Amino acid sequence: DIVMTQSPATLSVSPGERATLSCRASQSISSNLAWYQQKPGQAPRLLIYGASTRATGIPARFSGSGSGTEFTLTISSLQSEDFAVYYCQQYNNWPTWTFGQGTKVDIK
Amino acid sequence: QVQLVQSGAEVKKPGSSVKVSCKASRGTFSTFAISWVRQAPGQGLEWMGRIIPFLGVADYAQKFQGRVTVNADKSTTTAYMELSSLRSEDTAVYYCAREGYDSSGYQSFPLDSWGQGTLVTVSS
Repeated sequence: DIVMTQSPATLSVSPGERATLSCRASQSISSNLAWYQQKPGQAPRLLIYGASTRATGIPARFSGSGSGTEFTLTISSLQSEDFAVYYCQQYNNWPTWTFGQGTKVDIK
Repeated sequence: QVQLVQSGAEVKKPGSSVKVSCKASRGTFSTFAISWVRQAPGQGLEWMGRIIPFLGVADYAQKFQGRVTVNADKSTTTAYMELSSLRSEDTAVYYCAREGYDSSGYQSFPLDSWGQGTLVTVSS
């Protein structure tokens, strides 16, 4: 299975600041990488797919980049509703998908 | 709006089985796959398997092979995930999620809509 490794485990950021989250795949996954946001007690929500395409309704402050094995999710100016856990997921290695262990973005 | 509505919370004894349902719209069932993902308390997301309802084809994560069965009833547009030989480590929230499917095999898709989750507690 492809192993997805996210860093850091926790990111402390002040509102209005920029947050940069990383995700690394153990082998190339092309651009078949998605990012999800999960708030406490809620199901995950798709933010980014194809490494850089925002899902429907996702604000422009969320952006994704990367290909191959290295990926980044950037939140340009953190809003209060953005404090959550973020997961990356590869969907390249059919039929089995894998998630990273998550990065928690909390208030500094 | 895509809706996936899951069955309610369950409490099960070790060694028993649990079956979780996920009702989808007819449109979802005719063109999409349904994946199952679980999340143990305070832990991350773990992909378990998928069913492609209009093909009747299922795939499973190696970790769960032999212990999980996913299937679908096209007449009620409901997908099911059954996990057997339950142990305490299976205590988790189980989610169903919609996944695009390309029959040509050229494209793969993320999980774009999720059910609300079903808490399964395994305890003696």
